[in-house]
Amino acid sequence: QKEVEQNSGPLSVPEGAIASLNCTYSDRGSQSFFWYRQYSGKSPELIMSIYSNGDKEDGRFTAQLNKASQYVSLLIRDSQPSDSATYLCAVNSNYQLIWGAGTKLIIKP
Amino acid sequence: DTAVSQTPKYLVTQMGNDKSIKCEQNLGHDTMYWYKQDSKKFLKIMFSYNNKELIINETVPNRFSPKSPDKAHLNLHINSLELGDSAVYFCASSQELHRTGNTIYFGEGSWLTVV
Repeated sequence: QKEVEQNSGPLSVPEGAIASLNCTYSDRGSQSFFWYRQYSGKSPELIMSIYSNGDKEDGRFTAQLNKASQYVSLLIRDSQPSDSATYLCAVNSNYQLIWGAGTKLIIKP
Repeated sequence: DTAVSQTPKYLVTQMGNDKSIKCEQNLGHDTMYWYKQDSKKFLKIMFSYNNKELIINETVPNRFSPKSPDKAHLNLHINSLELGDSAVYFCASSQELHRTGNTIYFGEGSWLTVV
């Protein structure tokens, strides 16, 4: 069964520091990778998508993909209290989107 | 205007009842989904509809039935509700079915509590 794994956390990071979120997946054939953010009591919203090995930067967010090692990560620079949320990793596998259970991130002022 | 809207937002009902959750998207997307998120926050797909055709039906009890009168609507009907059905149900849509670059847009969720 295809799986996406994330550390459930909570991951506590001081304000202004770099938050690093990791995700591993089992299907080597996966081509599309997504990070969604979900605030408590709200719906998930897309932050980043990545399709090629390497880094992709968007503002304070950087997604990193390593297909050989089957992991994808999300870095948040200059973490803000408003970044406190659950971050969901999703991997496209054979036209299905497989979701991780999410990592709860807490940014401490 | 809300892109994906679902109603009701909160629903408390007794075991054994039948209930429906409605969903509408105004994005012109071809694919709509229903997801269930349990207390552990694990997001699990229940159904996908592409051009009114059921594409994915995961191991969901047949008490759950999706109904799509047109591609902008995907309603979820649940028969004989059980305590374990308590969860948050998210409707979502995307342009195509999980293709590369496909962003999924979620509704605000419907909190179902079965007592």
